[in-house]
Amino acid sequence: NAGVTQTPKFQVLKTGQSMTLQCAQDMNHEYMSWYRQDPGMGLRLIHYSVGAGITDQGEVPNGYNVSRSTTEDFPLRLLSAAPSQTSVYFCASSYSMLPGLEQYFGPGTRLTVT
Amino acid sequence: GNSVTQMEGPVTLSEEAFLTINCTYTATGYPSLFWYVQYPGEGLQLLLKATKADDKGSNKGFEATYRKETTSFHLEKGSVQVSDSAVYFCALNAGGTSYGKLTFGQGTILTVHP
Repeated sequence: NAGVTQTPKFQVLKTGQSMTLQCAQDMNHEYMSWYRQDPGMGLRLIHYSVGAGITDQGEVPNGYNVSRSTTEDFPLRLLSAAPSQTSVYFCASSYSMLPGLEQYFGPGTRLTVT
Repeated sequence: GNSVTQMEGPVTLSEEAFLTINCTYTATGYPSLFWYVQYPGEGLQLLLKATKADDKGSNKGFEATYRKETTSFHLEKGSVQVSDSAVYFCALNAGGTSYGKLTFGQGTILTVHP
């Protein structure tokens, strides 16, 4: 198993550009999520999905879109990049959203918006 | 709302020293508690967890006990190694309407010197 994979590892955007961060998992997990990591703030949930075709907002969803057309893939779209979106982005997956389950994280994408 | 507070870092220790990283939480109900570790350049990985009061999670010499009376989940290791240098995150999953969301502390940077 490759686990959770993310591409790209690094990205530099100019303000106003759009892009898609890719996330895939090969563990047949129903639950997938996106977090952003900022210094001194831990990780904050952007969007999550409980299965193909079902997505919902987390605590910091503004400026981001998601879709889940397959169980394996959960891309995160930045519609019009802003410097405030400079961060490290992590995708995570879990068998379900039950609270006691381990969540598996990808290696992250470091995004800089200039 | 739910929140997690970790001791401020960074923490610098000599090899074989005793480690404690404090973590306290605020949550309704009975959350599951986690410690995740992030090694340099990598994503987060689960270190240990506890899902009910008085449970002790343990892994790789690290331990933490779920203390509901003090709402704490302090991480301890009796003898740290250089390879333990990483960022440690305390997190909770409150279940119910939190929909799988992990609430993270701000992270504690640990550096272990030979």
